[in-house]
Amino acid sequence: NAGVTQTPKFRVLKTGQSMTLLCAQDMNHEYMYWYRQDPGMGLRLIHYSVGEGTTAKGEVPDGYNVSRLKKQNFLLGLESAAPSQTSVYFCASRPNRAAQYFGPGTRLLVL
Amino acid sequence: EDQVTQSPEALRLQEGESSSLNCSYTVSGLRGLFWYRQDPGKGPEFLFTLYSAGEEKEKERLKATLTKKESFLHITAPKPEDSATYLCAVQAYSGGGADGLTFGKGTHLIIQP
Repeated sequence: NAGVTQTPKFRVLKTGQSMTLLCAQDMNHEYMYWYRQDPGMGLRLIHYSVGEGTTAKGEVPDGYNVSRLKKQNFLLGLESAAPSQTSVYFCASRPNRAAQYFGPGTRLLVL
Repeated sequence: EDQVTQSPEALRLQEGESSSLNCSYTVSGLRGLFWYRQDPGKGPEFLFTLYSAGEEKEKERLKATLTKKESFLHITAPKPEDSATYLCAVQAYSGGGADGLTFGKGTHLIIQP
């Protein structure tokens, strides 16, 4: 099992550009999450999904959209990137009633 | 609002010097408390889940304990490879985000040889 994988590992964007971050898991987990991690802030929940075809907002959803068309994939989109979205993005997944397992992260720099 | 406070922010120990990390939490109904380890440039790695006060779990040199207001991560005779940032997180029954975790800011632990 590869576990949770994230693509790309690193990306530089200009303000106003768009991009999609891909999270994939091969553990057949129902629940998937997107977090961002900023210095001095800790990890914060952006969006989450409780199953294929479902998504919902977390603590800091503004400026992001998500989709979960397939159970194993959870996509995070930035329609118009802003410097405030410079961060490290982590995807996580979990089966029912268990801990979350995290991917390696995507480092995003918005200039 | 769920809150998690970790202390100290940073801790430097000599190899073999035991210590404890603290995680204080405020949550409206605790479903679970989680400890993770995070190495630089990597994602958090799951260590423990604690569900009720009085519960303890151990793994190698690490032992996690839970009370109604806080959790401790005890590190016994640490080695340099235990150097990492240790994250505490809570999951509430009624928390927003369908079981999304609320994280503390972490304790950066350095073990010197």
